[in-house]
Amino acid sequence: NAGVMQNPRHLVRRRGQEARLRCSPMKGHSHVYWYRQLPEEGLKFMVYLQKENIIDESGMPKERFSAEFPKEGPSILRIQQVVRGDSAAYFCASSAGTGDAGLVHNEQFFGPGTRLTVL
Amino acid sequence: AQKVTQAQTEISVVEKEDVTLDCVYETRDTTYYLFWYKQPPSGELVFLIRRNSFDEQNEISGRYSWNFQKSTSSFNFTITASQVVDSAVYFCALSGSQGGSEKLVFGKGMKLTVNP
Repeated sequence: NAGVMQNPRHLVRRRGQEARLRCSPMKGHSHVYWYRQLPEEGLKFMVYLQKENIIDESGMPKERFSAEFPKEGPSILRIQQVVRGDSAAYFCASSAGTGDAGLVHNEQFFGPGTRLTVL
Repeated sequence: AQKVTQAQTEISVVEKEDVTLDCVYETRDTTYYLFWYKQPPSGELVFLIRRNSFDEQNEISGRYSWNFQKSTSSFNFTITASQVVDSAVYFCALSGSQGGSEKLVFGKGMKLTVNP
């Protein structure tokens, strides 16, 4: 059973370009999360998606960032007009979601991350 | 608001020493979940344990053990007889039950270096 897949593993962009980060969840998982890890810092939640729905985007910057998880295909985190401050490791995680009556939070399994460098 | 505090930022030990990583959390949720993840130098995040707020039993898995105490809002992690391969950054995380979001709130991490 393949784990969470992210690509590319490393991405270099110049200021003003667009960055597209892809995440394929584990087989059987319908919940996807994106987190950002800035240098020397912990991980910060960005967005939580289920198929075709954004459930919680409270951690997303208001501008330039968007995410989707279409019915078919991977989840995409898009950063438009990148700036140097966007340089970070972006992690995707997937889970099977909440269990019966919302009582079980299944563990989130993380992908290897995409390391974005903005020149 | 939810918050996770890992007061120690960096610890260095010699192989075979025991080491405890502290984690203190804050939440208003009555039902919540606590996690520990390991991030080795290669960068990936490895799930170690999940504990729900109703289960205060301590857990042992090989050289790893976890001590959950609701009274002090702590979920500490102990590595017994540490090994060089334990060198990594360890993150404690919290997930609440309100609002339907399962997002994880992470501590800032604690870098453990185990020297031979």
